[in-house]
Amino acid sequence: QQQVKQSPQSLIVQKGGISIINCAYENTAFDYFPWYQQFPGKGPALLIAIRPDVSEKKEGRFTISFNKSAKQFSLHIMDSQPGDSATYFCACVKSGGGADGLTFGKGTHLIIQP
Amino acid sequence: DAGITQSPRHKVTETGTPVTLRCHQTENHRYMYWYRQDPGHGLRLIHYSYGVKDTDKGEVSDGYSVSRSKTEDFLLTLESATSSQTSVYFCAISGSGRTDTQYFGPGTRLTVL
Repeated sequence: QQQVKQSPQSLIVQKGGISIINCAYENTAFDYFPWYQQFPGKGPALLIAIRPDVSEKKEGRFTISFNKSAKQFSLHIMDSQPGDSATYFCACVKSGGGADGLTFGKGTHLIIQP
Repeated sequence: DAGITQSPRHKVTETGTPVTLRCHQTENHRYMYWYRQDPGHGLRLIHYSYGVKDTDKGEVSDGYSVSRSKTEDFLLTLESATSSQTSVYFCAISGSGRTDTQYFGPGTRLTVL
């Protein structure tokens, strides 16, 4: 059972364009939604995160849009640059007790063409 | 970068042998996690720890055990490695658990022949 569905699996965008990656979740107990960026040979690193009490969060060229009723959220990368080429993972964290880890989507391999 | 090291960084072993991977942190964070990363599966949680000697299972814990005798070290053991455990293993740490930022180590690439 896949709790977090991420699409597309791979994406090619021209330099200066907008990259959009989508995630959908099933568990309504999720209440924190981070995006991680991973470069080849490195561990994932937190890029931006959102809580469901807001519909959008922007940090520089990166924006998360959140639709609580649809249980969907997306990452938008404006003015995409070759340095943004990486694998992006959405993740979900559920409320309640415990300290269990992130539930990740399967990742999107993003290539920005010069 | 958060002070997380993993050792070894690369390992090739044979089916049936025991393997131990080490995660060491210098951040004094309470929570530590082991994930595996496989193509088409993303990152999946194996085990996590919420304090010294306090551990719990994650999504894909079968065939793995963990131990945490000190705050700074979290060990992942494959008692009898199988080819299905060929993967890249990442350790992560966080200060306050679920919604705190998780910082990932550089990873260990394990190949089981």
